[in-house]
Amino acid sequence: DAGVTQSPTHLIKTRGQHVTLRCSPISGHKSVSWYQQVLGQGPQFIFQYYEKEERGRGNFPDRFSARQFPNYSSELNVNALLLGDSALYLCASSLDTGSGANVLTFGAGSRLTVL
Amino acid sequence: AQSVTQLGSHVSVSEGALVLLRCNYSSSVPPYLFWYVQYPNQGLQLLLKYTTGATLVKGINGFEAEFKKSETSFHLTKPSAHMSDAAEYFCAVSVAGTASKLTFGTGTRLQVTL
Repeated sequence: DAGVTQSPTHLIKTRGQHVTLRCSPISGHKSVSWYQQVLGQGPQFIFQYYEKEERGRGNFPDRFSARQFPNYSSELNVNALLLGDSALYLCASSLDTGSGANVLTFGAGSRLTVL
Repeated sequence: AQSVTQLGSHVSVSEGALVLLRCNYSSSVPPYLFWYVQYPNQGLQLLLKYTTGATLVKGINGFEAEFKKSETSFHLTKPSAHMSDAAEYFCAVSVAGTASKLTFGTGTRLQVTL
């Protein structure tokens, strides 16, 4: 079975540009979460979507946005990129929402470098 | 709000030695606790989780962790380290109703030497 797939795996952007990252969840998983992992730190929660609706948002500026499509895949968009946005962006999927006991399955991530 | 503190950003053990990675949490409500492992250039893989019930939790690859409420700890152990255990380990906490929001610690890099 395919796991959580993310694209692109690596990308380089310059300050002020926009980026779109994509995620396909495990088949049957309706919940998708996004995390930012800056080098040397633990992942930080950005968004969670369930059944195409936002169910949670972390402490990130409005430059960060996301959406979930009818097939449960998801996009993370970041506008007006800053150097500090350089990070590994992880997508995770799970079966349901509402339970803190959800087991999240993570993808390999998209590594964004902002120059 | 919940938080996690991982003591020791780097831990080095000899192959065959005991592995002990420390995690302390803070939560005003009963927590759910997780350990994830991250190999270079990969995503996170779940090692084990504690939700309710038995406080000693066994995971994959011979790892286990014990939930100690009185000490607010969830330390990860493995009796005998293997070279393939070298990786970054993250402790994480969530609570009921937080919609898949995990709060991670800063991670502990485990080095295994011959």
